[in-house]
Amino acid sequence: DTEVTQTPKHLVMGMTNKKSLKCEQHMGHRAMYWYKQKAKKPPELMFVYSYEKLSINESVPSRFSPECPNSSLLNLHLHALQPEDSALYLCASSHGKAGGRGDTQYFGPGTRLTVL
Amino acid sequence: AQKVTQAQTEISVVEKEDVTLDCVYETRDTTYYLFWYKQPPSGELVFLIRRNSFDEQNEISGRYSWNFQKSTSSFNFTITASQVVDSAVYFCALSVTSGSARQLTFGSGTQLTVLP
Repeated sequence: DTEVTQTPKHLVMGMTNKKSLKCEQHMGHRAMYWYKQKAKKPPELMFVYSYEKLSINESVPSRFSPECPNSSLLNLHLHALQPEDSALYLCASSHGKAGGRGDTQYFGPGTRLTVL
Repeated sequence: AQKVTQAQTEISVVEKEDVTLDCVYETRDTTYYLFWYKQPPSGELVFLIRRNSFDEQNEISGRYSWNFQKSTSSFNFTITASQVVDSAVYFCALSVTSGSARQLTFGSGTQLTVLP
């Protein structure tokens, strides 16, 4: 089973709203990732959690706040977003062990976010 | 620094034609992994194949085949007898270790359109 689930599939929010994106995996993976993808562009890494600790933050604005409550769950809290933050947000997970099976990342279906 | 180049932005073929997607990579790491992902219009990134830097054996899986050549830093992907369902954006990616997790560097993607 290589399934990563994400909710919601679509989200429309105003610039003053607070919302959260959720990601879940039950593959026993210990690394989880958030990516942002704009139309016709490759995914851009935002955050990496390794063994429930934030290991990489790619200089993401503070209006994006990640949280990893446990090894299976990853949240992305959104607050005071801008219209340019509208994008597809992808979650991924991997074994998390350097060299382990090449640490293949398996992606969820994404959340299409629109900020009005 | 790592870099992945997919020079073909868009390719259009007629169903049943063979098509090759090119990927050239740059890294100073001696241990690395290469990946191909498929992204259909639905948005989910689907893992297709992984190759490590020590395994130059080419692989065939059904209609898909991959040609990895370290001498030219290339990892090309061929679809034989293409089908309309193969229409998608295909990303080549390179993975090197960053701390306890591996980071993916994506190419810019190739939009493949298979016409009936």
